Amino acid sequence: EVQLVESGGGLVQPGESLRLSCTVSGFTFSSYCMHWVRQAPGKGLEWVANIKYDGGEKYYLDSVRGRFTISRDNAKNSLFLQMDSLRPEDTAVYYCARDPGANGNGWYYFDYWGQGTLVSVSS
Amino acid sequence: DIQMTQSPSFVSASVGDRVTITCRASQGSNKWLVWYQQKPGKAPRFLISSASTFQSGVPSRFSGGASGTDFTLTISSLQPEDFATYYCQQADSFPLTFGGGTEVELK
Repeated sequence: EVQLVESGGGLVQPGESLRLSCTVSGFTFSSYCMHWVRQAPGKGLEWVANIKYDGGEKYYLDSVRGRFTISRDNAKNSLFLQMDSLRPEDTAVYYCARDPGANGNGWYYFDYWGQGTLVSVSS
Repeated sequence: DIQMTQSPSFVSASVGDRVTITCRASQGSNKWLVWYQQKPGKAPRFLISSASTFQSGVPSRFSGGASGTDFTLTISSLQPEDFATYYCQQADSFPLTFGGGTEVELK
């Protein structure tokens, strides 16, 4: 069974940092592209970042580029999102999600999702 | 960026009704469009892609269609478990973008 479990969310003040983690099981993590997607309270879905299966390519939403860094540790079946210089508008539930594309380019959609972790940025 | 315009934003329907949700892309070939279902307090669930790829376990009453840059999700006979919010997403180019969502509510 494919499982993705996020952790690391919490309440921080503007300008502070947070590191989200996503631990996966039930599939060969090192073969798949992965994504982070967020959802502000009561709002729709917003893609945040993507990383290729080998970590070789990364893409970011313009509003987070330079502040957020996506990374992965294939030996530990883990995906990460380092969030620096956080802003109130970053407040959201952050989901990690698997891309169904394996061993190559991603297909750029999300076939499995974690349950999400809430990040709140407020003074 | 590709903007996804989803309509309607809200549907009030009864069990057994046929419901169609439309998503239009602002540009591009948009050969890849995907639909998700989200229930309150839960993560989204992948339903179907424009390549007619279904997530396992998705009932056959869900179907997708495409015509140019217009895409549709149809629920042929609405069931109680289908009351949820539905989102489209373009998978053609970065940044990946979603429609604003369609909430399907019980009439």
